[in-house]
Amino acid sequence: EPEVTQTPSHQVTQMGQEVILRCVPISNHLYFYWYRQILGQKVEFLVSFYNNEISEKSEIFDDQFSVERPDGSNFTLKIRSTKLEDSAMYFCASSGRGGEDFGPGTRLTVT
Amino acid sequence: AQSVSQHNHHVILSEAASLELGCNYSYGGTVNLFWYVQYPGQHLQLLLKYFSGDPLVKGIKGFEAEFIKSKFSFNLRKPSVQWSDTAEYFCAVNAGGSGGRRALTFGSGTRLQVQP
Repeated sequence: EPEVTQTPSHQVTQMGQEVILRCVPISNHLYFYWYRQILGQKVEFLVSFYNNEISEKSEIFDDQFSVERPDGSNFTLKIRSTKLEDSAMYFCASSGRGGEDFGPGTRLTVT
Repeated sequence: AQSVSQHNHHVILSEAASLELGCNYSYGGTVNLFWYVQYPGQHLQLLLKYFSGDPLVKGIKGFEAEFIKSKFSFNLRKPSVQWSDTAEYFCAVNAGGSGGRRALTFGSGTRLQVQP
């Protein structure tokens, strides 16, 4: 069964550094998403992407964040200048017929 | 904006007990409703979803959920739990239409612990 994959599984970075989180959505899905979950808190929506552009974004998704689909398979989330409060689990998801398939997540630790 | 409440934060059951996890949502329009499960060390998996039609939805692993529109609820049930059902369960909602592809709003999750 096809799955969403994410790399790396764990990323440690220093405050102020740029990070890129990578996702490979399910190949015939057209809608892509990023969510995050800060330890002990709810899963929160960041952004959705369709047809090579952002279709929805939350208040969390400010100018420090960007998304890109650089080729036909990858979907990336970039955080330009990480803050301590960006430490969280970041989940990528993709959707075909409604209901999202989630990847295993990338644990981002900002020190 | 929609919101989702899961009032049971931690539930402990013995094997073979029946399960019901509460989920209430707040939204003014039509919604799609979902239950996801996260087993220890694994990613979120879709258990079941409701878009329209029969309000009693059957999902994987013997789970079902009932949409009661008048109560804004979508409770998850299983008649007899197993130790392998130990996991965290998340209710989620998104705005109706668009084939269910709108952003999901999640509840805070319910940790289910099943004792052998």
